[in-house]
Amino acid sequence: AQTVTQSQPEMSVQEAETVTLSCTYDTSESDYYLFWYKQPPSRQMILVIRQEAYKQQNATENRFSVNFQKAAKSFSLKISDSQLGDAAMYFCAYKGPQGGSEKLVFGKGTKLTVNP
Amino acid sequence: GAGVSQSPRYKVAKRGQDVALRCDPISGHVSLFWYQQALGQGPEFLTYFQNEAQLDKSGLPSDRFFAERPEGSVSTLKIQRTQQEDSAVYLCASSPSFFETGELFFGEGSRLTVL
Repeated sequence: AQTVTQSQPEMSVQEAETVTLSCTYDTSESDYYLFWYKQPPSRQMILVIRQEAYKQQNATENRFSVNFQKAAKSFSLKISDSQLGDAAMYFCAYKGPQGGSEKLVFGKGTKLTVNP
Repeated sequence: GAGVSQSPRYKVAKRGQDVALRCDPISGHVSLFWYQQALGQGPEFLTYFQNEAQLDKSGLPSDRFFAERPEGSVSTLKIQRTQQEDSAVYLCASSPSFFETGELFFGEGSRLTVL
């Protein structure tokens, strides 16, 4: 079974600084999808960024970017110019190829605190 | 609203009671998922619907858990004879094209506390 590991239960960053959240995963598939979701306190989870495994180019969404290392099965999230509104739980998630297990597998999350 | 709506937001049940949690997905979203999120943990998959068909219920922890989506829209997660270990936030998520994109749109969750 696929597993997703987030080794940092908590991280903190100063406003306007950069922070990197780590994620590793285990799979025997060659084609899959990886995601970072953000869960603010008492609010719904939202998608931050997505990466298809067949794409070599790292995904970027404004201040959010990923470092996808397929061979190492690593998928880290970099948040640049951190803002107070970035404070939340961040979950890394894995989805297998189409036709396989149709569900997202989540890590345990990293709580990000942004200090003013 | 335009988002996924879940009710009730908070539910306190005595051990042994039955509870029903409702999810209104975004209109037109064919895929619907239920996840269980224990305190301080990531969401754990419970079950998945494609329209009215329940395609995967492998995550349901016991036969006390039952989910339905009879008309392919609103879904209900029912927990019979609740136990303390059922205390968690139950998240519903929907998607118009999960097979292609993997993106889920989540509701705010129903927090269940079993005393």
